[in-house]
This record gives sequence, structure tokens and C-alpha cells, in this order.
Amino acid sequence: QQQVKQSPQSLIVQKGGISIINCAYENTAFDYFPWYQQFPGKGPALLIAIRPDVSEKKEGRFTISFNKSAKQFSLHIMDSQPGDSATYFCAARALSGSARQLTFGSGTQLTVLP
Amino acid sequence: NAGVTQTPKFRVLKTGQSMTLLCAQDMNHEYMYWYRQDPGMGLRLIHYSVGEGTTAKGEVPDGYNVSRLKKQNFLLGLESAAPSQTSVYFCASSSAGTNTEAFFGQGTRLTVV
Repeated sequence: QQQVKQSPQSLIVQKGGISIINCAYENTAFDYFPWYQQFPGKGPALLIAIRPDVSEKKEGRFTISFNKSAKQFSLHIMDSQPGDSATYFCAARALSGSARQLTFGSGTQLTVLP
Repeated sequence: NAGVTQTPKFRVLKTGQSMTLLCAQDMNHEYMYWYRQDPGMGLRLIHYSVGEGTTAKGEVPDGYNVSRLKKQNFLLGLESAAPSQTSVYFCASSSAGTNTEAFFGQGTRLTVV
């Protein structure tokens, strides 16, 4: 059972454009939603994260939009740059309980053309 | 500060062979995790540990065993490797406090032939 569904699988954007990646979750116990960025040959690294008590969080060119009622959240990359080309994973975690393990989406490979 | 270090970075195994992947973290994190990454599947949790001497199964534990004898180390073992275990393996760690960021190692690319 895939608890976090991510789309699209791949995305090609022109330099300066907006990249949008969407995720949907099922488990209402999730209350922490990070996005990870992964470059080839590297491990994932935290990009930005949001808690469900806010509808939007912005850090530089990266914004998370969160819709709790629809159980959806998305990553927007404004003014996309070739250096943003990477694989992006959404994730979710339940902060209660003992494990706090992340459940990941299937990933989106973003290519930003120069 | 090295963060999370995985050893080895690459390995080729023959079917039926065994091996151990080592993960070491120097951030004094309580929680440690092993994930596998396969194309189109994201990262799937194999096993995890919430403290020294404890381990638990994740989403895809079959064919793997783990041990956490020291807080800073988390070992992943394959007793009898199978081609289906060809994957990239990532170790991660996180604290038990309010900062819940998980830090990942650089991965181990394992091929089973």
C-alpha cells in the first residue's frame, strides 16, 4: 500500500519557469511533511518541510503548499535553474509514536533546461 | 563532521553470498534507518532502530537482518543474497528531539549477479 503518492514521475522545465510537484497522502496520523532533494550519486538531503498547522511555507525559491482537508501537498520551485535538476521526494512522518520513520513518495526527476 | 558514513560504496555479490553493510553516524542520533532505493519506487524502509540494542522491521524486511550494538553504528546484513536485492541502500539517522530532520549517507550500490 503506497501511503504517499507523488506525481509526475518526471518533469522538464525551461530555465526561469515554475516547477510543480504534487503529493497526496492517506494516513491522517502524518503530521510532518518534508521534501528531499537528491543529486546523482548522493543521498537525499532535506530541502524544506512543513507541519499541517500552516498552509504554506516559503524558503527562497522553494514553497510548500499544504491542503489538509484534501490530504495533498505540493512543492513549487520558482525561477527554476539548471542547478535544480535533481530527483525530488516528498515524504511524510508521524511525529507521535516511537519510530518516526519517513514514508516516501516515488520521486520526481526534474530537468531544468538552460 | 562526517555525518552519516556508509561502507562500502559499491559491491558486487554472487547469488547466495552474504555481506554486511556498515552505517556510522557521529551526530549522537537515537534513531537509525536502512532504506533501499529502486527506480520508480522511492525509498522503502527495510529496518530501523530507536536506540542501542533495539531493532524493528520496516516495510520490506525479508532477506535482511540488522544489529545495533553501539549507538553510532547500524549494520545491515544479507545472509544469502538474491538478484532481487540489487539496489541502492541508504542509511539515515535522526534525533529523538523536536528537530526531526533525517540525515542520509551517500548510499551503497549493490549488484547481485
